[in-house]
Amino acid sequence: SYVLTQAPSVSVAPGQTASITCEANDIGSKSVHWYQQKPGQAPIVVLYDDSVRPSGIPERFSGSNSGNTATLTISRVEAGDEADYYCQVWDITTDHPLFGGGTRLAVL
Amino acid sequence: QVLLQESGPGLVKPSETLSLSCAVVGFSISGGYYWTWVRLPPGKGLEWIGSIYHRGNTYNNPSLQSRLTISVDTSKNQFSLKVSSVTAADTAIYYCARLSMDTGLFDYWGPGTLVTVSS
Repeated sequence: SYVLTQAPSVSVAPGQTASITCEANDIGSKSVHWYQQKPGQAPIVVLYDDSVRPSGIPERFSGSNSGNTATLTISRVEAGDEADYYCQVWDITTDHPLFGGGTRLAVL
Repeated sequence: QVLLQESGPGLVKPSETLSLSCAVVGFSISGGYYWTWVRLPPGKGLEWIGSIYHRGNTYNNPSLQSRLTISVDTSKNQFSLKVSSVTAADTAIYYCARLSMDTGLFDYWGPGTLVTVSS
């Protein structure tokens, strides 16, 4: 079965750049969506179709997707970016949506 | 603006049936999207439960399919979830969401409701 692998946690100092990866076989051929979930809140879309930002999402959030790795990059990290981040694709083999395990971003 | 709101009991006894509803405001549930349930178990990641189209077509997570019933009521603009024979492993925050089948994106989410399975 298709599995999306994310590191459980990433730590970064304020003002630095955070890179959150989502790994899977040939993920570059799929559209990847990224969600941010803060404690006690519903997930929100921060990027869709690999790198498109919905309105209201800061330009500091960017994405790329190639080969076996999709990456969410957060530049000039702020304390308010602390959250769990999930990647998600549509698994065409099962015709179902699939989430990665999530990465907790800690701002030191 | 599309708003979703979950409702239902916050406590369910083991072996009983979990029942939740999701009211959709600001968009017709017949408007061409799939209406979806996702859950977040404590200490774990998001898990897709299942999705339903307004005509009744459903997609269910195979790991839950035998215990799942997802239904839609277009007259009330809402959809519902039933999970039978629950155990502690079904304890989670349950979210309803709108899913675009064109993009595979969950673009609107409810705030979520905590369901605890305990005697």
